[in-house]
Amino acid sequence: DGGITQSPKYLFRKEGQNVTLSCEQNLNHDAMYWYRQDPGQGLRLIYYSQIVNDFQKGDIAEGYSVSREKKESFPLTVTSAQKNPTAFYLCASSMRPISYEQYFGPGTRLTVT
Amino acid sequence: AQTVTQSQPEMSVQEAETVTLSCTYDTSESDYYLFWYKQPPSRQMILVIRQEAYKQQNATENRFSVNFQKAAKSFSLKISDSQLGDAAMYFCAYRSANAGGTSYGKLTFGQGTILTVHP
Repeated sequence: DGGITQSPKYLFRKEGQNVTLSCEQNLNHDAMYWYRQDPGQGLRLIYYSQIVNDFQKGDIAEGYSVSREKKESFPLTVTSAQKNPTAFYLCASSMRPISYEQYFGPGTRLTVT
Repeated sequence: AQTVTQSQPEMSVQEAETVTLSCTYDTSESDYYLFWYKQPPSRQMILVIRQEAYKQQNATENRFSVNFQKAAKSFSLKISDSQLGDAAMYFCAYRSANAGGTSYGKLTFGQGTILTVHP
């Protein structure tokens, strides 16, 4: 089945540790996105990538890093510099950046204590 | 920068009745797309309906329809014959149609409206 997978569904880390969230898609999509969702707020864009080996900062990139070495994969690293890392993280992809629909993964809930 | 506002944090509706969720947006662009996404308790984001700004006709998908008022920058979602499975958080979202630039492909979301459906 085609789709986007994010693992794990729940992730727990100690403060000061970097953590990497996985996002894989087998839809052959060019563009991929990372969003953060906090309670009572909509999704906010962290980073996006229009093509392999290229990515751009979104609205809230501070404390995060990404890579796009393969078309299928767009991992997000939450670094210790991120002041409030506890959140729900959603990965999305679209056929092209201008495609109508962004398909979303099931998300990862990150809790940092 | 574009902004999207959903002024109704919560709404409720009786099963089989109709409910309308409100959304306003602010942009200086003339070419863009608007979306409604549904997020059920599973938290999976599901596209409900989309509207191209250049189209005057309101989009419709089965029981879901929109009222798109471009001049007023308003984009409401009407759910007819509400079902228990419609209960979810609903997000309005905006995307620029302009190629290039820092907003290319990015979705800007509203804060969401929690919809409760009563049997």
